[in-house]
Amino acid sequence: EVQLVESGGGLVQPGGSLRLSCEASGFTFSSHWMSWVRQAPGKGLEWVANIKQDGTMENYVDSVKGRFTISRDNAKKSLSLQMNSLRAEDAAVYYCVREGLGSGRILDRWGQGTLVTVSS
Amino acid sequence: DIQMTQSPSTLSAFVGDRVSITCRASQYISSSLAWYQQKPGKAPQLLISEATSLESGVPSRFSGSGSGTEFTLTISSLQPDDSATYYCQQHYSGGSFGGGTKVEIK
Repeated sequence: EVQLVESGGGLVQPGGSLRLSCEASGFTFSSHWMSWVRQAPGKGLEWVANIKQDGTMENYVDSVKGRFTISRDNAKKSLSLQMNSLRAEDAAVYYCVREGLGSGRILDRWGQGTLVTVSS
Repeated sequence: DIQMTQSPSTLSAFVGDRVSITCRASQYISSSLAWYQQKPGKAPQLLISEATSLESGVPSRFSGSGSGTEFTLTISSLQPDDSATYYCQQHYSGGSFGGGTKVEIK
């Protein structure tokens, strides 16, 4: 069974940093692009970033470029999102998401999410 | 950037009704359109990809159609378990989502 388990969310002050992690199991992690998708409270979904299978290519939504960094460790089957210079508008549930094989950002398995709150 | 527009934003219908949700892209996206279902407090779940391809395990009452810039998700006979918010997402360039359609049971 595919499982994606996020951790690392919490309360952080504006301008602060937070690192999210995702542990994957039940599939060949190194074969899939992986994404982070977020959802602000009561709002819709926003794709945030993704990373290629071998970690050599990353993509970001414009609003987080230069502030967020996605990374992965295929040996540990883990995905991370380093978030710096956090703003109030970054507050959201962050989902770790698997992209389908050869799919181009079809998001076929989701974790349960971790909540990030940005407030002073 | 490609903008995705869903309508309606809310839909209320009876059990057994046929309901449809429309998703429009701001530019051509071929058939690169996915639909997701999200229930309150839960993560989204992929229903349909490539505009028409039903994911394994998804009930056959769900179907997708369209190509280019206009797409439709149809539920042929609405069931109580279908009460949820539905999102479209283009996977042609980037991965932008529509604003969502909340489906309620009357």
